[in-house]
Amino acid sequence: DTEVTQTPKHLVMGMTNKKSLKCEQHMGHRAMYWYKQKAKKPPELMFVYSYEKLSINESVPSRFSPECPNSSLLNLHLHALQPEDSALYLCASSPVWDARGYTFGSGTRLTVV
Amino acid sequence: KNEVEQSPQNLTAQEGEFITINCSYSVGISALHWLQQHPGGGIVSLFMLSSGKKKHGRLIATINIQEKHSSLHITASHPRDSAVYICAVKGWSGGSNYKLTFGKGTLLTVNP
Repeated sequence: DTEVTQTPKHLVMGMTNKKSLKCEQHMGHRAMYWYKQKAKKPPELMFVYSYEKLSINESVPSRFSPECPNSSLLNLHLHALQPEDSALYLCASSPVWDARGYTFGSGTRLTVV
Repeated sequence: KNEVEQSPQNLTAQEGEFITINCSYSVGISALHWLQQHPGGGIVSLFMLSSGKKKHGRLIATINIQEKHSSLHITASHPRDSAVYICAVKGWSGGSNYKLTFGKGTLLTVNP
């Protein structure tokens, strides 16, 4: 299995809702990432998990809450989002000490109404 | 100045043409990725390079570490190649460095 699987593919949520994005990989990668991508812009790094511990938080607002319950799974919990948070949210994984094998998921298209 | 510069920003070609997209970077890197993103879609990794040249089907990627430059070539281009092509580098920062630094992308349109 050489894929990063993200669910759901599309999500529409209200500003008072709580929802979660899910990311799963079975490549044995111990680094996992959340990126946010606005239209016609490159992805922006949000969070990095290394060995299931949060190692980088790029000053992301607390309404985004990541969780890495095990080495294969990465979640992003969403609460009280704003319309400007509408974007494509991409998950990626890689080996920790090896530049090879950086793999992206196909993303979740999030719309906040 | 962005650490990763791509050219051109936009490229329109006729089906069958040979395409070249360029990427220059200003930092020391451990790897360079070429990524493809179709409109509204997720990101697909095409190549990861640390030296030399790689070929996959009609796609060829080269890197010159000394000149800090990489090129992505598409031979016999086809309308389904229409997408944004993104160059991204993984740098060194005293041990592991998780961040990819992205170029702004090249929008390729191949007309039939």
